[in-house]
Amino acid sequence: KNQVEQSPQSLIILEGKNCTLQCNYTVSPFSNLRWYKQDTGRGPVSLTIMTFSENTKSNGRYTATLDADTKQSSLHITASQLSDSASYICVVSARGSQGNLIFGKGTKLSVKP
Amino acid sequence: GAGVSQSPSNKVTEKGKDVELRCDPISGHTALYWYRQRLGQGLEFLIYFQGNSAPDKSGLPSDRFSAERTGESVSTLTIQRTQQEDSAVYLCASSPGLAEYYEQYFGPGTRLTVT
Repeated sequence: KNQVEQSPQSLIILEGKNCTLQCNYTVSPFSNLRWYKQDTGRGPVSLTIMTFSENTKSNGRYTATLDADTKQSSLHITASQLSDSASYICVVSARGSQGNLIFGKGTKLSVKP
Repeated sequence: GAGVSQSPSNKVTEKGKDVELRCDPISGHTALYWYRQRLGQGLEFLIYFQGNSAPDKSGLPSDRFSAERTGESVSTLTIQRTQQEDSAVYLCASSPGLAEYYEQYFGPGTRLTVT
């Protein structure tokens, strides 16, 4: 069964600190993996998208990594800001799925002053 | 340009009533998706439309759920005889093509509460 598991479920860090969020997936055959940020009461917004051949991609203070062999991804946030407080969702697409993306439940990040 | 918009933003309805949720995609986007997000859960795929092709309804949880799309514009998701377990945020997303290959742009969602 195609699944996406994220950890931790929630995380609290102090402003300015770094953190890393994890994503494991069993989706096959793999097409791409995305990380989304979802602010409370808003729709998800894309941060990064990686295909099989890419193992790292950055978007400002966000850096995503992908290990397609172990089917793991991570999202590293550097020098966190209060505005980083949100849910971070890992999403995997299977090849030939035509758009039926598999969503993780997300990691809820709280950045405290 | 405007993003994806959804209306209403909040809807409270009594159990057994029908509700209609609306999504206005980004102009020119051929693909449109509906998702359901229950509290503390991941997004669940409901249905997608791609151009003039028959929609993929494989995610609809029951025959009480239906959706329509007029050409490549507005879509409505209808839930008949609502049940309390239908309470969730319903998100719409559009993309220039199938989401496997293209970026999806999400609307703000409609929060549905069934009392």
